Amino acid sequence: KAGVTQTPRYLIKTRGQQVTLSCSPISGHRSVSWYQQTPGQGLQFLFEYFSETQRNKGNFPGRFSGRQFSNSRSEMNVSTLELGDSALYLCASSIQGYAYNEQFFGPGTRLTVL
Amino acid sequence: QKEVEQNSGPLSVPEGAIASLNCTYSDRGSQSFFWYRQYSGKSPELIMSIYSNGDKEDGRFTAQLNKASQYVSLLIRDSQPSDSATYLCAVNNAGNMLTFGGGTRLMVKP
Repeated sequence: KAGVTQTPRYLIKTRGQQVTLSCSPISGHRSVSWYQQTPGQGLQFLFEYFSETQRNKGNFPGRFSGRQFSNSRSEMNVSTLELGDSALYLCASSIQGYAYNEQFFGPGTRLTVL
Repeated sequence: QKEVEQNSGPLSVPEGAIASLNCTYSDRGSQSFFWYRQYSGKSPELIMSIYSNGDKEDGRFTAQLNKASQYVSLLIRDSQPSDSATYLCAVNNAGNMLTFGGGTRLMVKP
């Protein structure tokens, strides 16, 4: 069974630009969560989608948004990029998105904002 | 603020020894607990999940949960140099949102 895939793997953008990251979950998994990982803040939850609906949202500004498609694939968008948005963005999928479901991470997208 | 705390390390153990990694959490309503391993430059890899008090064993790994003390631990028996990585404790306390500790860096010396 293929794992979680994320594209692109690396991105370099400049301040003020916007970026869209993509995530394809493990086949059969319907829940997709997004996390940001930085050396200073560690791994932080961004948001979670299930059946095309955002169910949970972390403490991030409105510049961070996402969506999920009917095939469970998900995208996240960051508008008006800031230097502090430089991070590893991780997508994780789980079967139903319940508390007892295990989450499996993709390889991540490393975003550098110049 | 729901918190998950881990000693950042590094925790250094000789090859073949038992490595003990610890984690405490603040939210008593937490329902499920996970250990992830992350190699430098890679994404987190799920090692263990545990949901009820007691021990859960999987190969060389044993997870221990004590909800009364709000404490989770991971034991790695017969530690190998390939186990050298950062170990992340994660707690699910609201729906499907994981709160992570800062991670413990483990170094296994040959």
